[in-house]
Amino acid sequence: GQNIDQPTEMTATEGAIVQINCTYQTSGFNGLFWYQQHAGEAPTFLSYNVLDGLEEKGRFSSFLSRSKGYSYLLLKELQMKDSAYYLCAVTSGAGSYQLTFGKGTKLSVIP
Amino acid sequence: NAGVTQTPKFRVLKTGQSMTLLCAQDMNHEYMYWYRQDPGMGLRLIHYSVGEGTTAKGEVPDGYNVSRLKKQNFLLGLESAAPSQTSVYFCASSLELTGNTIYFGEGSWLTVV
Repeated sequence: GQNIDQPTEMTATEGAIVQINCTYQTSGFNGLFWYQQHAGEAPTFLSYNVLDGLEEKGRFSSFLSRSKGYSYLLLKELQMKDSAYYLCAVTSGAGSYQLTFGKGTKLSVIP
Repeated sequence: NAGVTQTPKFRVLKTGQSMTLLCAQDMNHEYMYWYRQDPGMGLRLIHYSVGEGTTAKGEVPDGYNVSRLKKQNFLLGLESAAPSQTSVYFCASSLELTGNTIYFGEGSWLTVV
């Protein structure tokens, strides 16, 4: 089975930096994904990590450590529109499909 | 460019009724998925398809059936709706069997009373 843990809620100030952590236990790890989901909308893809290290994409960066079963999403220069749910998802299993989502972290950006 | 389209967006059903959710994608994707999303539970995979004419069970398949008669369409059926099936349903599709190219539809809000 798979287990993915991420904080339920976080609050951060506009213009600041926030780090959302995700830990996972899985067999046959293939990759880790971060999605953003605004309330009432569909999830949208943010990042994908297969190898250890940091992937940077504009204001968003994602880090992966496979040996520690750990990832984080870093959001810089926070904007009010970044208030959303952030979903960590892990894919695993050779020859079969399994993309498992964490329960999501609700990020609130305050002025 | 429509992407992934789900119909209907909203539906209220009585317990025991049946209904079908339709998902259509215009990106020529091989892989299609149905998820449900409940408060505090995250997105959970119901069924998926790796190509026309194929379907497979996901994490929570009970009470649902699916069909993929055409590559662009993936139907989710509720044979006898139960209040526990009140949820938001998301269809998704991808070019590859990984998550980095997965595209979600806008969701279907289903209430079973």
